[in-house]
Amino acid sequence: NAGVTQTPKFRILKIGQSMTLQCAQDMNHNYMYWYRQDPGMGLKLIYYSVGAGITDKGEVPNGYNVSRSTTEDFPLRLELAAPSQTSVYFCASSPGIGRSGNTIYFGEGSWLTVV
Amino acid sequence: ELKVEQNPLFLSMQEGKNYTIYCNYSTTSDRLYWYRQDPGKSLESLFVLLSNGAVKQEGRLMASLDTKARLSTLHITAAVHDLSATYFCAVDPSGSARQLTFGSGTQLTVLP
Repeated sequence: NAGVTQTPKFRILKIGQSMTLQCAQDMNHNYMYWYRQDPGMGLKLIYYSVGAGITDKGEVPNGYNVSRSTTEDFPLRLELAAPSQTSVYFCASSPGIGRSGNTIYFGEGSWLTVV
Repeated sequence: ELKVEQNPLFLSMQEGKNYTIYCNYSTTSDRLYWYRQDPGKSLESLFVLLSNGAVKQEGRLMASLDTKARLSTLHITAAVHDLSATYFCAVDPSGSARQLTFGSGTQLTVLP
């Protein structure tokens, strides 16, 4: 029962470096999401995807890029890391639109510090 | 801009007591989620409320949704220490699960 798998779990970046957070789900879900959570706050949506080849911006997309070449994978790319990107990043997935409601399943999170 | 406000933000309660967490939101939505988060952990889905008047219960937790008042409540009955966590509500105004807007969370501590 892998569910949503994120790597790495912890990472320290220097200002200006780039990196990719990996996310994979094995539930054949159409929808995938990237959220960030700052200390003591709720989650904010960075990007989402409703299927392979389709991505869209969320509330806080600046400084990030995504791609969705397969149903399973949804990597998040940080370009030119800045201290403001220090946060916990959560990847999530859901089946998509349906009358039964869309439980959204979250990964374990990736703790990123930019110094 | 959609705003989702939870109150209280911090809640300490004695074991055995009852309390309610409130989630107010600023735009029309008939779909609302409740999540639980333990420190340093991911979010666990508690309830998905799909329509006005929806009520769901699981153990000592009961959630309800009043779309006309733009209000959801999470009621805790006879609290136990294991319920200590942060609880988030999230609103889905499009009803399509494309973009959820989260509240800031309610940090609940249940004291012995």
